[in-house]
Amino acid sequence: AQSVTQPDIHITVSEGASLELRCNYSYGATPYLFWYVQSPGQGLQLLLKYFSGDTLVQGIKGFEAEFKRSQSSFNLRKPSVHWSDAAEYFCAVGPFGNEKLTFGTGTRLTIIP
Amino acid sequence: EAGVTQFPSHSVIEKGQTVTLRCDPISGHDNLYWYRRVMGKEIKFLLHFVKESKQDESGMPNNRFLAERTGGTYSTLKVQPAELEDSGVYFCASSQRQGTNTEAFFGQGTRLTVV
Repeated sequence: AQSVTQPDIHITVSEGASLELRCNYSYGATPYLFWYVQSPGQGLQLLLKYFSGDTLVQGIKGFEAEFKRSQSSFNLRKPSVHWSDAAEYFCAVGPFGNEKLTFGTGTRLTIIP
Repeated sequence: EAGVTQFPSHSVIEKGQTVTLRCDPISGHDNLYWYRRVMGKEIKFLLHFVKESKQDESGMPNNRFLAERTGGTYSTLKVQPAELEDSGVYFCASSQRQGTNTEAFFGQGTRLTVV
C-alpha cells in the first residue's frame, strides 16, 4: 500500500533563512508527486508536482522540489523564506491523471523575525 | 473564476445528530473528491465522483456517511448519526477530467466538531 512520511511535524526558521521540508514515499508504481500548502483559513494550494522528466521541479512562490528515486524522497526547498510562507505543507502521492491522493501528516512551518 | 466552495466553514453538532456538508466544485469540473483530516493525522481520501456517478468510494469510513452529487454539479456529504470520531476537517476538491495532466483544486474545508 502507498504511504507518505513527513518526519517533521513542526519546523521553525528565521525569515530569510533557507528551508527544506522532507518527504518520503512508498508507492508500487511510478509515483505522481505533489506538494500542497495550506495557509490559515485557506484551502490546499498546489505548489508543484512531478511525474517525469527533470527531477528538479520548480513551483510557485519560489519553491522547488527534487525527486530522488533511489531514496524515495521528494523534498521541498526554498532558498529564502518570507513571513508569508508560514503555513502547513503537505506532501502527496497518487496515480497519474487521478487525484485520489495519499497525503502525509503535514509539516507546520513557523517563521520568526 | 470561482474556486471550490464549501459550506459551512465550521459546524458544531452533538453526537447522534445529522450534519450535511456541501461542496460546489469549479464549473465544468467532472471530477469531485472528498477528503478528511482527523486532528493531527494525514488527509485521507473518502470518495470520488465522475459527474454524478461514484467512481470510487473505498475511503468512506462506514454507512453513516452518504455522499451525493446531484446532476453532476454540487455534492453533499451527510453524516447520520454523527459520532465523536467524525470530528475533523472535510475537504472537497475538483478537477477537469481523468487521464490527463490535471490539477485538483481544493476548497477551504469544513471543520466538523462533534461534541
